Amino acid sequence: DTGVSQDPRHKITKRGQNVTFRCDPISEHNRLYWYRQTLGQGPEFLTYFQNEAQLEKSRLLSDRFSAERPKGSFSTLEIQRTEQGDSAMYLCASSLEFGGYEQYFGPGTRLTVT
Amino acid sequence: GQQVMQIPQYQHVQEGEDFTTYCNSSTTLSNIQWYKQRPGGHPVFLIQLVKSGEVKKQKRLTFQFGEAKKNSSLHITATQTTDVGTYFCAGPRVVTSYDKVIFGPGTSLSVIP
Repeated sequence: DTGVSQDPRHKITKRGQNVTFRCDPISEHNRLYWYRQTLGQGPEFLTYFQNEAQLEKSRLLSDRFSAERPKGSFSTLEIQRTEQGDSAMYLCASSLEFGGYEQYFGPGTRLTVT
Repeated sequence: GQQVMQIPQYQHVQEGEDFTTYCNSSTTLSNIQWYKQRPGGHPVFLIQLVKSGEVKKQKRLTFQFGEAKKNSSLHITATQTTDVGTYFCAGPRVVTSYDKVIFGPGTSLSVIP
């Protein structure tokens, strides 16, 4: 495993539908982050995990967003009742807990809500 | 809450000119990281600075971490078209097991050949 992978790469959905994204981090990384990025902006923190524990969730995130990392490996991000404002690139990143905090990003999932 | 700001937001330079972007945090950082995102790509880690006043170089790129560990800069000498992209700084507030990294809004660099 040489990098972070995300699936799907693109998702088009109708408003009101639920969507789920998957992230597979670098295998030895115990930290996993989810970010949202819109055009011309930096990655906006959504939530992060250390192993299977979700340590923090952005206050900007509505209850329609939920994330899991059940076995401390892959993670899923679900958005319920999607809205047009949810259209963005959803990025996943992973890192080691110690020895450096550099994050390795996946290619992202681009969500378009019509 | 913690805020990380970057200036300028955009920079257009002629190929061969130098470029500098500045990063400022509202809180003291345990370390500062820099990332580059090419158009259509995802952020890629460039470097991490940890010590107060630290300076690191990567070929034409020079990174500095301020003495107070609240600011940083990235300087590119003699820009090339391959330098095009958005440069983000990011950092956690303190070294704990439960802290998150906050990204700045980025500086978008355009290089005119």
